[in-house]
Amino acid sequence: AQSVTQLGSHVSVSEGALVLLRCNYSSSVPPYLFWYVQYPNQGLQLLLKYTSAATLVKGINGFEAEFKKSETSFHLTKPSAHMSDAAEYFCAVRIFGNEKLTFGTGTRLTIIP
Amino acid sequence: DSGVTQTPKHLITATGQRVTLRCSPRSGDLSVYWYQQSLDQGLQFLIQYYNGEERAKGNILERFSAQQFPDLHSELNLSSLELGDSALYFCASSVAFNLEEKLFFGSGTQLSVL
Repeated sequence: AQSVTQLGSHVSVSEGALVLLRCNYSSSVPPYLFWYVQYPNQGLQLLLKYTSAATLVKGINGFEAEFKKSETSFHLTKPSAHMSDAAEYFCAVRIFGNEKLTFGTGTRLTIIP
Repeated sequence: DSGVTQTPKHLITATGQRVTLRCSPRSGDLSVYWYQQSLDQGLQFLIQYYNGEERAKGNILERFSAQQFPDLHSELNLSSLELGDSALYFCASSVAFNLEEKLFFGSGTQLSVL
C-alpha cells in the first residue's frame, strides 16, 4: 500500500525566505505524487503533480517540487515566501491501477512579516 | 470557486444523532469523492462514486453511508454520531474516475458533535 509522510505539522518562515515543506513517500511501484494547498475556509487546490515525466515539477504560485527516487522524497519549495502563501499544504500519492489518492497529514505554513 | 457545492457549511449536533451532508459536483463531472479531515488523522479518503455507482471505498465506518443520485449529486449519511466524528468533511468531483489530480474540492462541511 502507498503512503506519504509529511515532516513537520507546522512550519514558520519569514517573508522573503525559502519555503521547504517535506514529504516522503512509500510505494512498491512508481508513484504519482501531488501537492495540494488549502487556504482558510476553502477546499483543496492542486499545486503541482509528478507523473513520471520530469523529476522537477513546477506548479502554480512559484512553487516547485523535485522527485528524488533515491530518497523517496517529493519536497515542496519556493525561493521567496509571500504572505499569501500562508495555508495548509498536503502531499498525496497514488499508484497506477489504484484510484485512491492517499494524503499526508498536512503542514501548516505560517509566514512571519 | 471550484464549482463544487457543499451544504450545509456548518452542522452542530449531538451524539447518537444522524445527519446528511450534501454535495453537488461541478457541471459535467461524473465522479464524486468524500474525504474526512480531522486534526489527528489528517485527510482521509472515505468513498468514491462514479455515475451513480460506488467505485472505491476507503476508511469509511459502517455507521456512514453514501449515495450518488441520477442528477449526480451525492449525500453522505452519518449515523449514531460520536464525539470523534467531529471533523471537516470534503466532497470533491472530477470528470472521470481515475483523475484524482483533476479533483475539484468543495469548501467542506464542518461537523461538530457535542
